[in-house]
Amino acid sequence: EAGVAQSPRYKIIEKRQSVAFWCNPISGHATLYWYQQILGQGPKLLIQFQNNGVVDDSQLPKDRFSAERLKGVDSTLKIQPAKLEDSAVYLCASSFGTHQVDGEQYFGPGTRLTVT
Amino acid sequence: AQKVTQAQTEISVVEKEDVTLDCVYETRDTTYYLFWYKQPPSGELVFLIRRNSFDEQNEISGRYSWNFQKSTSSFNFTITASQVVDSAVYFCALSELTTSGTYKYIFGTGTRLKVLA
Repeated sequence: EAGVAQSPRYKIIEKRQSVAFWCNPISGHATLYWYQQILGQGPKLLIQFQNNGVVDDSQLPKDRFSAERLKGVDSTLKIQPAKLEDSAVYLCASSFGTHQVDGEQYFGPGTRLTVT
Repeated sequence: AQKVTQAQTEISVVEKEDVTLDCVYETRDTTYYLFWYKQPPSGELVFLIRRNSFDEQNEISGRYSWNFQKSTSSFNFTITASQVVDSAVYFCALSELTTSGTYKYIFGTGTRLKVLA
């Protein structure tokens, strides 16, 4: 079974530029998550999708971040314009079910973003 | 508010030593799950264990064991006879019920384990 795929793995941009990340979850997984992991911290949930609907985006900085999940499969996360404090690893994860308290999440390798 | 505390920022041990990683949590929920994940240098979080709030039985899996104590709100992780390959950052996480009726993880800040040969 293929795991969660993410691209690119690394990205360096200047502040005020825009950037987009792509995620392909495990086939059949209904729930998809985007996390931000700042160096030295644990992952923080940015947005959660169930199929192609958003169920939680309470911690997404909506003035600059946007995300979509077309057709309930792949997802993209965009930052426009980027700030220095956006430098982090962006992790995508997926899980099989919906409304699962015990839903094991499978994580991708992440995209390391550096904003200069 | 829900919270996960991993007070140990970094631990160094010599190979074959036993090491325990601490995790303390806070939650209002009566039903919840706790998790441990390993993050090796490659960056990908690897699932290790899931434990629900009604099951306080300790678990052992090879060199790994977990001690869940609701009375102290702790879910500690022990590696017996540590190996260099165990070097990684380990995260404890708590599942939290959101206002939309779904669940999401709250992660601790992680403990970096260095196993020296």
